[in-house]
Amino acid sequence: DAEITQSPRHKITETGRQVTLACHQTWNHNNMFWYRQDLGHGLRLIHYSYGVQDTNKGEVSDGYSVSRSNTEDLPLTLESAASSQTSVYFCASSESSGTPLHFGNGTRLTVT
Amino acid sequence: AQSVAQPEDQVNVAEGNPLTVKCTYSVSGNPYLFWYVQYPNRGLQFLLKYITGDNLVKGSYGFEAEFNKSQTSFHLKKPSALVSDSALYFCAVRDLYGGSQGNLIFGKGTKLSVKP
Repeated sequence: DAEITQSPRHKITETGRQVTLACHQTWNHNNMFWYRQDLGHGLRLIHYSYGVQDTNKGEVSDGYSVSRSNTEDLPLTLESAASSQTSVYFCASSESSGTPLHFGNGTRLTVT
Repeated sequence: AQSVAQPEDQVNVAEGNPLTVKCTYSVSGNPYLFWYVQYPNRGLQFLLKYITGDNLVKGSYGFEAEFNKSQTSFHLKKPSALVSDSALYFCAVRDLYGGSQGNLIFGKGTKLSVKP
C-alpha cells in the first residue's frame, strides 16, 4: 500500500543547530506539504511544493526551508533551531488541489 | 481572508448518544470544506468533504456533515457515538483566494471525548 513516512519520529536538538526532517511518500503525488501542530493553533502551513523543483512559503515559513529534487521526498530543514520551533511536524501529500491530504505520523521536535 | 472556526475546544458525549462537532467558515466564494480526525500520536485522517451537491455529506466510520450556506456552517455529526470515536477533530476550508493558493486552512481542533 502507498504511504507517507516521516523520520525521525522524535528528535531532541540544541538551539542553533541545523536539523532536517525527512518526508517520503509512495503515492506518486505531485503536491507535498509541511505543517506544524501546536496547542491552541491547530495546524499551520510551513512550506509546500506542487512538483519537482517547485517550493513555496506558507503561513509560518521563517526559519525553515525545503527542497524538492524528486517526486517522493520533501525534506524540511531548520537552518538554526530555536526554542520556538519546538513542535510536532506533519508532512502531507495530495493528488491535486482540493483532493484529500494524506498525512504522515509526525515528528516531535524538541529544541533545548 | 478565508478562515474556519471550531467554537468548542472539547465536546463530551455519552456512548450511544448523538454527537455534533461544530464548524463555521468564512470564504469569498463557494467553499470546499473538509473534516479530518487525529488519533493520539498519529497524523490526520480524512473523514469527508463537501464541494458541491447534496448538503448532507456522508463519510468514514459513520460520520456525516451538513453544509448550511445561510449559517456558513459545516457541523460534523454521528447518530450514535462510540468510545473509539474519542479523538481530535479538525475542520478545514480550501483557501482559494489567499496566499496559500488553494491549500487547506485548518481550524484549531475539537477534542471529542466519548464516555462509556
